Amino acid sequence: EERLLDSGGDLVQPGGSLRLACVASGFTVSPYAMSWVRQAPGKGLEWVSSISGSGGRAYHADSVKGRFSISRDNSKNTLFLQMNSLRAEDTAVYYCARVREPDATTYFDLWGQGTLVTVSS
Amino acid sequence: DIQMTQSPSSLSASVGDRVTITCQASQDIRNYLNWYQQKPGKAPKLLIYDASNLERGVPSRFSGSGSGTHFTFTISSLQPEDIATYYCQQYQNYPVFGQGTKLEI
Repeated sequence: EERLLDSGGDLVQPGGSLRLACVASGFTVSPYAMSWVRQAPGKGLEWVSSISGSGGRAYHADSVKGRFSISRDNSKNTLFLQMNSLRAEDTAVYYCARVREPDATTYFDLWGQGTLVTVSS
Repeated sequence: DIQMTQSPSSLSASVGDRVTITCQASQDIRNYLNWYQQKPGKAPKLLIYDASNLERGVPSRFSGSGSGTHFTFTISSLQPEDIATYYCQQYQNYPVFGQGTKLEI
């Protein structure tokens, strides 16, 4: 069975850092672009970042550009999201998601269970 | 930036009803439009991709149509397990989701 397992969410103070991870099982991630999508409490979905299958191209939403960095280790079937300079408005459940394309963010066909990031003093 | 306007924001219907949700793009996005279902406390699930293609394993009562700026998502006969929030998502450039439609019975 194909699965994504998100982890790394925690309570962190404003200005702090956190690194999320997403481990894939049941398939190899290298042919796929991968993304992070977040959902603030009681709110809708917001795309955060995407990375191409090779890891050569990365894209970030304007709301996180310069603070968040997406990366991947295909040898470990793992996706990462390094989050720096965290703000209260970054509080959300973060989902990793698989994109059914290697180089473009089209549609998300497999999702992790989500990991909660809370930014508060 | 492309904006997505999804309506209605909430909808109450009965089992067996035909349910329709619309999504309007602020500019032409061809058929670059997908639909997701999200049940409370769960991750979203892809239902329809590229406006009208049914994801494998998804019941045929779900369907999508449209192109350009106007798109429609339909449940032909509402079932109790369809209670969820539904989102559209465009990918003309960067992914943008609609605001969601909460469906209740």
